[in-house]
Amino acid sequence: GENVEQHPSTLSVQEGDSAVIKCTYSDSASNYFPWYKQELGKRPQLIIDIRSNVGEKKDQRIAVTLNKTAKHFSLHITETQPEDSAVYFCAGLFGSYIPTFGRGTSLIVHP
Amino acid sequence: DTGVSQDPRHKITKRGQNVTFRCDPISEHNRLYWYRQTLGQGPEFLTYFQNEAQLEKSRLLSDRFSAERPKGSFSTLEIQRTEQGDSAMYLCASSLGTSGDNEQFFGPGTRLTVL
Repeated sequence: GENVEQHPSTLSVQEGDSAVIKCTYSDSASNYFPWYKQELGKRPQLIIDIRSNVGEKKDQRIAVTLNKTAKHFSLHITETQPEDSAVYFCAGLFGSYIPTFGRGTSLIVHP
Repeated sequence: DTGVSQDPRHKITKRGQNVTFRCDPISEHNRLYWYRQTLGQGPEFLTYFQNEAQLEKSRLLSDRFSAERPKGSFSTLEIQRTEQGDSAMYLCASSLGTSGDNEQFFGPGTRLTVL
């Protein structure tokens, strides 16, 4: 099946810095790439998504970029705050619209 | 609470026993997904339903696993003859639409521990 590689697995930043998480996929085409945030002990929640007909999407301090040619997409968080600390998962919708998730990035924002 | 709910939240069972989990999606959501999540991993797709029809199952889903959504509303996931490797968080999610590219709303999960 499709594989989504996510890097880094852990990211530690100081409050106010930017954080970037990158994901790549291999073979299949996808038209939809969501990002989920999962706080400790809680359920995953969608924070932003991007469709293949655009290259970038922003929502306040969060942005996602997509490069379909290179098959990678990234999450950018600016002016990080301690409440941004969580595990972030990228995902793609491949084949028969089956979601495939990355392994997650644990973001730690130090006050 | 109008979100996705799952029951039970925790289940401890002995190896070889059968377990059944229930998921209640957001009403009017016609898509329902089951995932398995282990520590340090992202949700791993198991199966999904479009209304009452089970449209896709992961190759990883052994024949000990079965899921139903008889009336197109709630769903159950049964694991027969549980093994220690089945220990994980089982997540349910629901969404609107028929193409899959809509926001999925996750439930709180059922944590299964097989002793």
